[in-house]
Amino acid sequence: GENVEQHPSTLSVQEGDSAVIKCTYSDSASNYFPWYKQELGKRPQLIIDIRSNVGEKKDQRIAVTLNKTAKHFSLHITETQPEDSAVYFCAASMAYNTDKLIFGTGTRLQVFP
Amino acid sequence: GAVVSQHPSWVICKSGTSVKIECRSLDFQATTMFWYRQFPKQSLMLMATSNEGSKATYEQGVEKDKFLINHASLTLSTLTVTSAHPEDSSFYICSASSGGANNEQFFGPGTRLTVL
Repeated sequence: GENVEQHPSTLSVQEGDSAVIKCTYSDSASNYFPWYKQELGKRPQLIIDIRSNVGEKKDQRIAVTLNKTAKHFSLHITETQPEDSAVYFCAASMAYNTDKLIFGTGTRLQVFP
Repeated sequence: GAVVSQHPSWVICKSGTSVKIECRSLDFQATTMFWYRQFPKQSLMLMATSNEGSKATYEQGVEKDKFLINHASLTLSTLTVTSAHPEDSSFYICSASSGGANNEQFFGPGTRLTVL
């Protein structure tokens, strides 16, 4: 089955700096890669996603890149703010299995003022 | 739009009792619902996939007789933790999808289960 690895597990940055979180997946059939932000005790919130027919997608300070050949995708947050502090999860969805998401292990991001 | 609710938000029960958690899609019809379990400081682990009107598909290692899932309508799925034990204490989160090519899942707020 699909396996998603995520690095780093923790990331500390100064406010205004950029943060990058990387994920690799195992199954080349995966075609949908969302990123979620989860605050303590709350539901995961979709912040950006990318499909396998696109190499890069950007939404204001957040961008995601996908390298299908290498089977990895990354989340880039620029101009980080303290409110960006949370746990971020990547996920991958199998093309032939409707909507099933396999999550990465998570990255705890801390943005210091 | 695309709101998913869960009830209860938290529950404390005694060991050996059963607990039912409800997941509802409030403004759309969910052809598929998913149940996840999340232990403290860990990732979301998919437990099962539930399609309306059919039996749930459980992930490897998840006991289907212990975690009973019912998806009786397009807006409601329930997870019953039977004979709960302290090791079942966790954050249970459901998600719902309307299907199709969009793939997006909408998550419920989660239910924190504590088994004493």
